Amino acid sequence: TQLLEQSPQFLSIQEGENLTVYCNSSSVFSSLQWYRQEPGEGPVLLVTVVTGGEVKKLKRLTFQFGDARKDSSLHITAAQPGDTGLYLCAGLRRNNNDMRFGAGTRLTVKP
Amino acid sequence: GAGVSQTPSNKVTEKGKYVELRCDPISGHTALYWYRQSLGQGPEFLIYFQGTGAADDSGLPNDRFFAVRPEGSVSTLKIQRTERGDSAVYLCASSLWGTGANVLTFGAGSRLTVL
Repeated sequence: TQLLEQSPQFLSIQEGENLTVYCNSSSVFSSLQWYRQEPGEGPVLLVTVVTGGEVKKLKRLTFQFGDARKDSSLHITAAQPGDTGLYLCAGLRRNNNDMRFGAGTRLTVKP
Repeated sequence: GAGVSQTPSNKVTEKGKYVELRCDPISGHTALYWYRQSLGQGPEFLIYFQGTGAADDSGLPNDRFFAVRPEGSVSTLKIQRTERGDSAVYLCASSLWGTGANVLTFGAGSRLTVL
């Protein structure tokens, strides 16, 4: 059983469309991170959210941390082929310092 | 170094053999993590070190897996009597202790194939 459930598992869209991916858990996290991973490489950090209800924007990407700090979402506006990749959420649990990952959302943006 | 370095990048071995995978973290990073990633999946937590000690090894799948970090820098993941199910990419990450948000920097991984 995954500590963090990500949905959808796969997403294929056309260039210019908007999309949202979700990361949910029954556990409370002191912080939650989103990573993007390209084939043959390790995950690369996109953003860290720490405060419940926090919203962060990174160009066309908007990240939100749930009020209860159990869930998060990533919204991409006007997706581009360069956004293609595996998007992973990872949570740092309270009273722990280990990071646990979700299974990821594999996004394909077609030109 | 400038980034997290993992060697070898690829390792092919036969079932039953012993394997060592090495991780050289970013200089000064006290926390070091090992993950295992199968095709199409997210990284699966194996073990995390704080300095020389294993702070959490609850992700190691069985006693064939062992990891050390004797001087608080380089770490070695050791797998005994390898099985075909051990085939995966083994990722190492390091972070600077005490940053609160605990940002991880990953290496490119070691791809292990057990024939």
